[in-house]
Amino acid sequence: EVQLLESGGGLVQPGGSLRLSCAASGFTFSNYAMSWVRQAPGKGLEWVSAITGSGGGAYYGDSVKGRFTVSRDNSKNTLYLQMNSLRAGDTAVYYCARLRDGCTDYWGQGTLVTVSS
Amino acid sequence: QPVLTQSSSASASLGSSVKLTCTLSSGYSSYIIAWHQQQPGKAPRYLMKLEGSGSYNKGSGVPDRFSGSSSGADRYLTISNLQFEDEADYYCETRDSNTRVFGSGTKVTVL
Repeated sequence: EVQLLESGGGLVQPGGSLRLSCAASGFTFSNYAMSWVRQAPGKGLEWVSAITGSGGGAYYGDSVKGRFTVSRDNSKNTLYLQMNSLRAGDTAVYYCARLRDGCTDYWGQGTLVTVSS
Repeated sequence: QPVLTQSSSASASLGSSVKLTCTLSSGYSSYIIAWHQQQPGKAPRYLMKLEGSGSYNKGSGVPDRFSGSSSGADRYLTISNLQFEDEADYYCETRDSNTRVFGSGTKVTVL
């Protein structure tokens, strides 16, 4: 059974940093590209970042480019999202997701990030 | 990059059918999309991948009541024999090169 478990969310002040993790199990992690998607309170889904299976390619949405960094450790079956220079507008539930044939086919349960003073 | 357009809401009676639309912007009418369901307070759930030909592949455990179809730039999700647990937000998703795009979502209410 595919499982994606996010952690690392919490309350952070504007300008601060946070690192999210996503522990994957139930599939060969290195064979799949992975993605981060966020959802602000009461809003829709927004794609944040994606990374290839090998980790050699990383891609970002315009709203986080230059501030967020996606990475992965295939030996630990773990996906990461390093978030710097956080703003109030980054407040959201962050979901880890698996990509297959160009589509998201599994989602994690999400972790809440709140940026506030 | 493509834009996905969804109506904001839809409603139908228990046991009836509802058909949701996701429209791809000009120049992207051949693109594959995915449909996702998000029940209140829960994470999204993958429902299916839908091609421009109308061929679709559903995720594990998705009931037979959910089906997909296509016409030109429009991608449809039909829910038959509507149940109360189908009351949720439904999002479409596509990708272009190395970016991904979501529609704004359709809220389905079961009357």
